[in-house]
Amino acid sequence: DAGVTQSPTHLIKTRGQQVTLRCSPKSGHDTVSWYQQALGQGPQFIFQYYEEEERQRGNFPDRFSGHQFPNYSSELNVNALLLGDSALYLCASSLTNGGSGNTIYFGEGSWLTVV
Amino acid sequence: RKEVEQDPGPFNVPEGATVAFNCTYSNSASQSFFWYRQDCRKEPKLLMSVYSSGNEDGRFTAQLNRASQYISLLIRDSKLSDSATYLCVVIYGSGNTGKLIFGQGTTLQVKP
Repeated sequence: DAGVTQSPTHLIKTRGQQVTLRCSPKSGHDTVSWYQQALGQGPQFIFQYYEEEERQRGNFPDRFSGHQFPNYSSELNVNALLLGDSALYLCASSLTNGGSGNTIYFGEGSWLTVV
Repeated sequence: RKEVEQDPGPFNVPEGATVAFNCTYSNSASQSFFWYRQDCRKEPKLLMSVYSSGNEDGRFTAQLNRASQYISLLIRDSKLSDSATYLCVVIYGSGNTGKLIFGQGTTLQVKP
């Protein structure tokens, strides 16, 4: 049973460029959330996707956008990269109607460095 | 004020020690509470859920005080392998659909 997979694991971009990060949720899960974790901080919620729509959004600018595909996989896009976007980007997978015992699983993350 | 606050530490303790972490949250509408563990440069992993009645898992005990909006984690008989960052997590809304609000994390270093 595959867990949450993210790609790429590491990447380096230049200021002003655009980046796309990808996530495949755990088998059977239908909800994907994205988090940004800067060095020394806890993860910050970016947005959540369910049924191919953005269901919730955190306090991130419009440069951050996403998409969910019919197979529940998801992409996170960041435009006009800033140095401050350098962080670990985490994808979290869950099942929306899985009951109170449903566990949220994280992928290993994508390390983005903006230079 | 941050929604979830933790003492970042680091906590440096000898093996066998008992250590306690505290966390406060600001939104009284919070419904679900967790402790996650994060090893260096790895993803967070669920350590345990936190209930008002308290819950224990081996050497780990978690407690929730809704009136004070306070969460705690107690680790007894610390092991070297307990060295990690411990993240306090709160969810507003259903645990299946709510967003996770993380604290900054508390770093624990257990020394021989």
